[in-house]
Amino acid sequence: AQKITQTQPGMFVQEKEAVTLDCTYDTSDPSYGLFWYKQPSSGEMIFLIYQGSYDQQNATEGRYSLNFQKARKSANLVISASQLGDSAMYFCAMREGRNNQGGKLIFGQGTELSVKP
Amino acid sequence: DVKVTQSSRYLVKRTGEKVFLECVQDMDHENMFWYRQDPGLGLRLIYFSYDVKMKEKGDIPEGYSVSREKKERFSLILESASTNQTSMYLCASSFRRRVAGELFFGEGSRLTVL
Repeated sequence: AQKITQTQPGMFVQEKEAVTLDCTYDTSDPSYGLFWYKQPSSGEMIFLIYQGSYDQQNATEGRYSLNFQKARKSANLVISASQLGDSAMYFCAMREGRNNQGGKLIFGQGTELSVKP
Repeated sequence: DVKVTQSSRYLVKRTGEKVFLECVQDMDHENMFWYRQDPGLGLRLIYFSYDVKMKEKGDIPEGYSVSREKKERFSLILESASTNQTSMYLCASSFRRRVAGELFFGEGSRLTVL
């Protein structure tokens, strides 16, 4: 069964607008971590934001925020004030268990975001 | 800054050849990983390693093996390359003692098997 699902293969957003990229996950482990990565056309994977399953508040990093809805098992990425440089592939990922128990991440299929001028 | 270096950005090999993909990290990370990336499938874990000489199978280990003789180096080996192994290969490492444990990735190695 797919453990991380990104249902939007591609999305468009107008420059300076906000955009939400969807991610749902499935795990029975009460301890887990959720990640978002950005992959520009150059290919490098850039870590954006992390949310632990026990964190009380939604994670934020600059223009990125993670809308964590534990009961719904969703971890959507919100990018505020989109910029042309935000055009890239975005991956949601999950680690089951604590980091010192392994650390491997399971990735979703990705969402390709295009920012229009 | 953490640096994960993969030995080759682009490789072209023939079916049946033995292929080595090398990965070196310079931040003393315990964990190292090999993923392959294919369109529509995201990243899939091939093998990972928690420590020197230790290895664990990921989700798609068939046709691959790995070697970790030194902490900083993690090699992926295709014993007999096949056309369905044409893909982008990404190496990553992480620090076991960090709460988040985010992975740091290399630039990737794009392998074409003819």
